[in-house]
Amino acid sequence: NAGVTQTPKFQVLKTGQSMTLQCAQDMNHEYMSWYRQDPGMGLRLIHYSVGAGITDQGEVPNGYNVSRSTTEDFPLRLLSAAPSQTSVYFCASSPDQGNRELFFGEGSRLTVL
Amino acid sequence: GQQLNQSPQSMFIQEGEDVSMNCTSSSIFNTWLWYKQDPGEGPVLLIALYKAGELTSNGRLTAQFGITRKDSFLNISASIPSDVGIYFCAGPGSGTYKYIFGTGTRLKVLA
Repeated sequence: NAGVTQTPKFQVLKTGQSMTLQCAQDMNHEYMSWYRQDPGMGLRLIHYSVGAGITDQGEVPNGYNVSRSTTEDFPLRLLSAAPSQTSVYFCASSPDQGNRELFFGEGSRLTVL
Repeated sequence: GQQLNQSPQSMFIQEGEDVSMNCTSSSIFNTWLWYKQDPGEGPVLLIALYKAGELTSNGRLTAQFGITRKDSFLNISASIPSDVGIYFCAGPGSGTYKYIFGTGTRLKVLA
């Protein structure tokens, strides 16, 4: 059972570069979301999606874009990376449909120089 | 916006001791989730609670959904070294799809 798969696990970028963090789930979950986790802080919601073609902003959306063209995939794009985006990023999915349990990937550690 | 306050922030305990931690909110939650996170890994779901007053166990872990729907509690009995980690409470804000996480309780177990 793959569950929620994130790639890459580690990435170093220079300020101004762009990149995409990939997230895929094989559980046919409708709900998918991205979080960032910084030292001393809990997980903060960046963007989420309740189904293919539907996305919405979370608590800290600035500097990030998302799209949801399929149920399985929910990529997170950084168009112009900044040092403030150095963080660990987690993708999570949920069946929704009354079951609100959220399942996480293993994380992607991003450093922006 | 909605916030979840966890306490304590950290705790050292002796192996074999019981542990209690709690999570409080300024607003009502309809679902409470408890997670454990080990270093370098993603959070792992421990227990999910869906009804006020609900008491649910998972091995040595027991969690309760507060009757006011504004708090939840997690107890770990007879702690062991592998219980070390950060424990988070979380839930979707009422009427939204935006999950909110507490700042975590860091548990350290002394053998």
